[in-house]
Amino acid sequence: KQEVTQIPAALSVPEGENLVLNCSFTDSAIYNLQWFRQDPGKGLTSLLLIQSSQREQTSGRLNASLDKSSGRSTLYIAASQPGDSATYLCAVPTGTASKLTFGTGTRLQVTL
Amino acid sequence: KAGVTQTPRYLIKTRGQQVTLSCSPISGHRSVSWYQQTPGQGLQFLFEYFSETQRNKGNFPGRFSGRQFSNSRSEMNVSTLELGDSALYLCASSGGNQAHEQYFGPGTRLTVT
Repeated sequence: KQEVTQIPAALSVPEGENLVLNCSFTDSAIYNLQWFRQDPGKGLTSLLLIQSSQREQTSGRLNASLDKSSGRSTLYIAASQPGDSATYLCAVPTGTASKLTFGTGTRLQVTL
Repeated sequence: KAGVTQTPRYLIKTRGQQVTLSCSPISGHRSVSWYQQTPGQGLQFLFEYFSETQRNKGNFPGRFSGRQFSNSRSEMNVSTLELGDSALYLCASSGGNQAHEQYFGPGTRLTVT
């Protein structure tokens, strides 16, 4: 059974810092890994999708890496801003088709 | 291209009632998945529909059911509501295979009193 873990569970940093969020998964036979952002009470916004054949993916200040063999992914956020404050979730497809298994999330607060 | 839409956004029901939630996927997407999100359990997969057929089912009681129409719009129904059904219900749409990126709607907040 695929299990996805995210550490830390919560993180508070001052504006401008670079930070790394971690995601680990137990079954390395994954097709891809997706990072999402969720604001309180809202839906999930897709940030980055890394296919299993890729090692990293970049979008603006975000960079995600994937190491299938070690069962790990990291999300790097450069020059953090207060608007980055949200919960960040990683997820991998499990079993067949579109079912996703989610991590427990990292709640990020960026302070002025 | 319009995103995933869910209606209604908020619902308040009483125990024992039933409720129907609706999800319209991104145009061209044939897969719609439903998730329940609660503070205690996180995001849990309910079921997935692809081309009007249920393709995956999570570990939820039979009170939770769904369907998908020929235009890929999906509905989820919960019968005999319980207090524990209070949650944010999210739907996601995708092209339908594991390589595809999934896009989520804004969710429906269901409160059962």
